[in-house]
Amino acid sequence: NAGVTQTPKFRILKIGQSMTLQCTQDMNHNYMYWYRQDPGMGLKLIYYSVGAGITDKGEVPNGYNVSRSTTEDFPLRLELAAPSQTSVYFCASSPSHTYDYEQYFGPGTRLTVT
Amino acid sequence: DAKTTQPTSMDCAEGRAANLPCNHSTISGNEYVYWYRQIHSQGPQYIIHGLKNNETNEMASLIITEDRKSSTLILPHATLRDTAVYYCIVNSGGSNYKLTFGKGTLLTVNP
Repeated sequence: NAGVTQTPKFRILKIGQSMTLQCTQDMNHNYMYWYRQDPGMGLKLIYYSVGAGITDKGEVPNGYNVSRSTTEDFPLRLELAAPSQTSVYFCASSPSHTYDYEQYFGPGTRLTVT
Repeated sequence: DAKTTQPTSMDCAEGRAANLPCNHSTISGNEYVYWYRQIHSQGPQYIIHGLKNNETNEMASLIITEDRKSSTLILPHATLRDTAVYYCIVNSGGSNYKLTFGKGTLLTVNP
């Protein structure tokens, strides 16, 4: 049981390039999330999904896109990378419980845009 | 979700109890208190959560005041590996599953 896995661990992008951050979970969780964390700050929600085929915007969605074609995978797409997207990106998942839930986080992807 | 206030940083001696406070004076009746921690460069890790009653698990204890306006996370015997940023989060659960992370408290456990 690997939990939540993310690839790549590190990436350097040039301004204007695009990339996809991969996230996979093997816990059969319906809910998945993408957060970003800037240096010295807390996490901010980018997008989330409540199940395959259903996604919605979080607090800071601009410049990103997501898709959820399977329960296991929730990739995050960066189009036209900008320096402001330099951050650490965390993917998380949680079970579909009503009240007793916790979010399980992946190890993160460190992205630098120069 | 209600706003939370935590100290920026705290120190604790190894082997002693670490008591991390959190104020959430605007918490409403259906909101839970969650605690997560983030060890340097890693993804956040769930610790514990509660609604009204005090809770204990293998990692920590959560003490919630009777008026629910504040809570304390207790690590009973802190170790060097407990050095991390601790986040107190208030959330109503149910369909409101989006967690709002503030800046948290940096707990440094000293040898």
